Amino acid sequence: EVQLVESGGGLVQPGGSLRLSCAASGFTVSSNYMTWVRQAPGKGLEWVSVIYSGGLTYYADFVKGRFTISRHNSDNTLYLQMNSLRPEDTAVYYCAKGVINLLYWGQGALVTVSS
Amino acid sequence: QSVLTQPPSVSAAPGQNVTISCSGSSSNIGNNFVSWYQQLPGTAPKVLIYDSNKRASGIPDRFSGSKSDTSATLGITGLQTGDEADYYCGTWDSSLSVGVFGGGTKLTVL
Repeated sequence: EVQLVESGGGLVQPGGSLRLSCAASGFTVSSNYMTWVRQAPGKGLEWVSVIYSGGLTYYADFVKGRFTISRHNSDNTLYLQMNSLRPEDTAVYYCAKGVINLLYWGQGALVTVSS
Repeated sequence: QSVLTQPPSVSAAPGQNVTISCSGSSSNIGNNFVSWYQQLPGTAPKVLIYDSNKRASGIPDRFSGSKSDTSATLGITGLQTGDEADYYCGTWDSSLSVGVFGGGTKLTVL
């Protein structure tokens, strides 16, 4: 059974950093496309980043240069390193399996950027 | 401003049918598959339709998807109160090299 479990969310001050983790089971992260999607409070879904099985990565313009997507093969985990955080980055962050067809989603991790 | 355009809301009575549209361009819907997601209040999104017209595992055949040129449509027949949710379309934009979503459509079952 495929499962995705995010962790690492919390309250951080503007300009701070946070690293989100997405622990996967039931499949191998490094052999699949993996995506991060976020949702600000009361707003719609917003695509953030993807990492291809071959390691290629893409980012939304609003996080480019600040966020880094990566994976750790030994523990089958996807990461999102978030630096220079802004109040507008406040959102629930979801990891999902796939790139166009996001067939499996985690439960989400809340990130709040506030002083 | 979302790259994909959806109506903000639709409504219908139980038992009736509705469609939700998703309009894009040749760089996204026109050249890629479309997926549709249902998000119930307080929960993570769940895929309904993938590859534009394939139902995900466990999704009843009341839900259907289609695509034509630069637009896609989600159809729901025999509406139930449990269908009240936000619905999103999504795809890849080959020109921007990013994933894109519609702004979401709130379905109200009166």
